[in-house]
Amino acid sequence: AQKVTQAQTEISVVEKEDVTLDCVYETRDTTYYLFWYKQPPSGELVFLIRRNSFDEQNEISGRYSWNFQKSTSSFNFTITASQVVDSAVYFCALEGDSSYKLIFGSGTRLLVRP
Amino acid sequence: GAVVSQHPSRVICKSGTSVKIECRSLDFQATTMFWYRQFPKKSLMLMATSNEGSKATYEQGVEKDKFLINHASLTLSTLTVTSAHPEDSSFYICSAQPTSGRGLDTQYFGPGTRLTVL
Repeated sequence: AQKVTQAQTEISVVEKEDVTLDCVYETRDTTYYLFWYKQPPSGELVFLIRRNSFDEQNEISGRYSWNFQKSTSSFNFTITASQVVDSAVYFCALEGDSSYKLIFGSGTRLLVRP
Repeated sequence: GAVVSQHPSRVICKSGTSVKIECRSLDFQATTMFWYRQFPKKSLMLMATSNEGSKATYEQGVEKDKFLINHASLTLSTLTVTSAHPEDSSFYICSAQPTSGRGLDTQYFGPGTRLTVL
């Protein structure tokens, strides 16, 4: 079975703080893909990153960084120097090689206060 | 690149009527599109996978006669909610997966359609 767990339901930080959103996944597939999506209040899901299971290199894109740890089945997302515009719900998702379906976590609602 | 549109963005209808929602990939072709449903403050639930030129594949528990899906071209899939009832009120989101090129195997999402059935 495939499963994605985002244990943090809601996080509230003050602007300029760093914040890490946790994602833990379960899969029996040897090849799989992990994703992060952002859903602002408008509702549209914005694609942030896709990571192949064979590529454990961490990635940084501006204020965003991702830490993929296969040993702990985690794919955590860090926002550095958070801004009010980062306020949104963030979803982690998994797509296994045995299925084309995206399995979403329950999402983490991030509130960045000025 | 990889823009997906949905129309309408919002619809309010009376109970018993049918509503059609369109999902278009604007700058890429998509053999496969997906339809999701999202309840308030909940995660996305996959309803069905739409394949161009063939029948859609529905997830367990989703009534195929109630949620009709048509994927007539490589850039358009439609979801028709037939005989809508208040419990069908929800946020419906589609996604499209590029057939080739950059973004292959990544789902790009539309802006969603908020359906309210009175």
